[in-house]
Amino acid sequence: GAVVSQHPSWVICKSGTSVKIECRSLDFQATTMFWYRQFPKQSLMLMATSNEGSKATYEQGVEKDKFLINHASLTLSTLTVTSAHPEDSSFYICSAMFGLDYGYTFGSGTRLTVV
Amino acid sequence: LAKTTQPISMDSYEGQEVNITCSHNNIATNDYITWYQQFPSQGPRFIIQGYKTKVTNEVASLFIPADRKSSTLSLPRVSLSDTAVYYCLVGDPNSGGYQKVTFGTGTKLQVIP
Repeated sequence: GAVVSQHPSWVICKSGTSVKIECRSLDFQATTMFWYRQFPKQSLMLMATSNEGSKATYEQGVEKDKFLINHASLTLSTLTVTSAHPEDSSFYICSAMFGLDYGYTFGSGTRLTVV
Repeated sequence: LAKTTQPISMDSYEGQEVNITCSHNNIATNDYITWYQQFPSQGPRFIIQGYKTKVTNEVASLFIPADRKSSTLSLPRVSLSDTAVYYCLVGDPNSGGYQKVTFGTGTKLQVIP
């Protein structure tokens, strides 16, 4: 089946630094990818829709200048958390659709801890 | 996008059949119903998808009544490894993958030995 590879699986960074998370669709092309954030014991919250070759669409309340999304190719989308702070610590997940019968395929997630 | 409502949590003993119901009263004509499973610190995993009546695969069955305002995920003979959060989502897969997917609260299933 389709695989969405997400890297790194976990990262610890100092407050004020930036962190980049990669999301790759393996063996299929993804014009659109989605980025989610999940806090402990909560549901996934959609942050933004990443569109290949164009600007991302951000959900209300998500700072586009803080969460930079780049979707430069049909198989790669990146999320950069700029000037990270402890409140940005969360589980970040990306997804893409492989086919009509398979729903959305999700990456394994990235645990970000800002200290 | 159709909003979904599920029970927050459920408990079941090993070996029993578990049925999780999801309400989606304002489902649109082109919407499908998809269920995902999520383990802690992992991304959600596709379980099953359907439009009407009944769909069955190797891991679950999905029952959808004629009015499509609800659906029931059925897990046969659950084991401890089925302990997870289950999400019901509603949307139009024929939108080309462009339709954003929003998650509800999900149902935390705890399987008891």
